[in-house]
Amino acid sequence: DGGITQSPKYLFRKEGQNVTLSCEQNLNHDAMYWYRQDPGQGLRLIYYSQIVNDFQKGDIAEGYSVSREKKESFPLTVTSAQKNPTAFYLCASSMGSGVFGTGDGYTFGSGTRLTVV
Amino acid sequence: KQEVTQIPAALSVPEGENLVLNCSFTDSAIYNLQWFRQDPGKGLTSLLLIQSSQREQTSGRLNASLDKSSGRSTLYIAASQPGDSATYLCAGNQAGTALIFGKGTTLSVSS
Repeated sequence: DGGITQSPKYLFRKEGQNVTLSCEQNLNHDAMYWYRQDPGQGLRLIYYSQIVNDFQKGDIAEGYSVSREKKESFPLTVTSAQKNPTAFYLCASSMGSGVFGTGDGYTFGSGTRLTVV
Repeated sequence: KQEVTQIPAALSVPEGENLVLNCSFTDSAIYNLQWFRQDPGKGLTSLLLIQSSQREQTSGRLNASLDKSSGRSTLYIAASQPGDSATYLCAGNQAGTALIFGKGTTLSVSS
C-alpha cells in the first residue's frame, strides 16, 4: 500500500544535540511538508518542498533544516538552535504543486514525538 | 495573515445525534479545503477534500461544505457513533501557500 512512513515514532534529544527525523513516501507525490503540533495548538508549517533539490521556509523554520535529494524522501533535522523542540512532528505529501491549490489533498504520516531529556 | 478558527473547541454528544462542526477563515480566498480526523497520539486521516471548483463533498455519514463568499466551512456528521470520538481539524490553502490549520474540535460521543 502507498503511504508515508515517519521514523522513529519516539525520539529523545539531549541538550545541544542535533537529531534527524525521517519521512519517506511511495505515493509519487511531488510536494512534501513538515508540520509541528504542540498540545492544544493547530499544526504549524516548518518547511515545504515542491520539487527535488528545492525547499522553502514555513512559518517556524528557525532551528530546523531539511534536504530533498530524492523525490521520496524529505528528512528534517532539529538543530541545537531550536530551543523548544519538544513536540509532535508530522510529515505530509501532496500530488503536484499542492501549495497552489491543485492536487488530491494532503496525505500525512503517523508522526514522530520528540522529547528533550 | 490567514487564520483559521474552529468552533466549538470541544463537543460532547450522546450517540445517534447529528452534529455540525464549524470552521472559518479570515481571508475567504480559499482554493482547497480539507477536513481531517486525528486520534490521540496519531497522525492525521483525511476525511473530505473540497477542491477549488467544488462547494461540497460527501462520504458516508460525513458532509462538508464551503461558502467561498464568507470563507466558512461546515462538517456535518450524521447519526454520530462512539467511534467518531476524535479531534477534527479543518485546513485550507490559498495561492502560494501550504495548508493552514485550525486548532481543531475535540468530539466525544457517548454510548
